[in-house]
Amino acid sequence: DSGVTQTPKHLITATGQRVTLRCSPRSGDLSVYWYQQSLDQGLQFLIQYYNGEERAKGNILERFSAQQFPDLHSELNLSSLELGDSALYFCASSVGLAGGREQFFGPGTRLTVL
Amino acid sequence: TQLLEQSPQFLSIQEGENLTVYCNSSSVFSSLQWYRQEPGEGPVLLVTVVTGGEVKKLKRLTFQFGDARKDSSLHITAAQPGDTGLYLCAGDPGAGSYQLTFGKGTKLSVIP
Repeated sequence: DSGVTQTPKHLITATGQRVTLRCSPRSGDLSVYWYQQSLDQGLQFLIQYYNGEERAKGNILERFSAQQFPDLHSELNLSSLELGDSALYFCASSVGLAGGREQFFGPGTRLTVL
Repeated sequence: TQLLEQSPQFLSIQEGENLTVYCNSSSVFSSLQWYRQEPGEGPVLLVTVVTGGEVKKLKRLTFQFGDARKDSSLHITAAQPGDTGLYLCAGDPGAGSYQLTFGKGTKLSVIP
């Protein structure tokens, strides 16, 4: 158990819909990262927040957004969903700001868009 | 964009055999991490290598960072079914970068 929690575990929805994925980092960790993992693209970095502020953006679509709240939990919002958005979405956390520090991953949310 | 190429992509071996998987890049990384991911779960950090030429051992797993800090290898001795999983390498570009670059992984199956 990494100490990072993610909900829900599974999510099935239809194209065009909007969903919210939730992540709680390990106690004491200030950085939260979101990743998308698909069979053909591997693990792709989406976005990082540190202590409530956006710090780095990766391959995140404009239809996706995220935020980190004062209690440090984070939410990833995916809208106008397409079939190709079906993937595993992972949240990771680390103590500090630098992404190179050891990251601890949650169990992931499996999103299926029908 | 810095890329990490992992090889082989798939590996199926018998219990007790030895194996090596590779992680290569044309870019220099300040450190490199190896993760193992089991189906339905998130990646779990195995080791971080920082110094060029560094070798770290974790029981039957030996990790090496290339002298030029562009590549790394993972060697498993006497593989066991419990070693089955997806092995991912991830590079930290350093220089203030906030994100890791992940390879696509090597999917290892150890057959009893």
